[in-house]
Amino acid sequence: AQSVTQLDSHVSVSEGTPVLLRCNYSSSYSPSLFWYVQHPNKGLQLLLKYTSAATLVKGINGFEAEFKKSETSFHLTKPSAHMSDAAEYFCVVSASKAGGTSYGKLTFGQGTILTVHP
Amino acid sequence: AAGVIQSPRHLIKEKRETATLKCYPIPRHDTVYWYQQGPGQDPQFLISFYEKMQSDKGSIPDRFSAQQFSDYHSELNMSSLELGDSALYFCASSLEGGVPDTQYFGPGTRLTVL
Repeated sequence: AQSVTQLDSHVSVSEGTPVLLRCNYSSSYSPSLFWYVQHPNKGLQLLLKYTSAATLVKGINGFEAEFKKSETSFHLTKPSAHMSDAAEYFCVVSASKAGGTSYGKLTFGQGTILTVHP
Repeated sequence: AAGVIQSPRHLIKEKRETATLKCYPIPRHDTVYWYQQGPGQDPQFLISFYEKMQSDKGSIPDRFSAQQFSDYHSELNMSSLELGDSALYFCASSLEGGVPDTQYFGPGTRLTVL
């Protein structure tokens, strides 16, 4: 079984300040972890992914996330928020079968709505 | 680069009608996933196909069925529509054996049931 908990349903920051979106996961197998972003009335765009390579993962638009197995966390950060970052962010887990092959099905967290103030 | 295509983008139906949603994966992708996102909800996995065979099943109602065709496109058929079926339906595709787990999502089909 696998699950994801996003610790904040809403995060509000000022433009130019750091962003931290928190995510904890639970998985029976070695997980693959993702962050997706969804702008209003738009589809889901992949920001970054962790698949058991480097624990610090860099994504698009200046976002990065660090996989911490001891804390079962995969928090998303960005040093300086931009107005265009305002959107809903989903932390997502996909369990891998034993042996490392993807199991496929994604389990989404509840989402964090990021608001960026001028 | 080509992305996942979904059609139609918007669909309005009456209760008890049927609907068919189509998904065209990224070229050479062999796996298709369907997700349902209700208003204010996170996406929920419905069903997936790999090489035209059902590979996994989630919380898909018995009123829904899906299949993947020889050209890898997929269709989600929904019958006896209910008000609660109003949602954004996403299709995602991936290449099994390629970069593991990376699913690329289409823009979604917004279904409204009146």
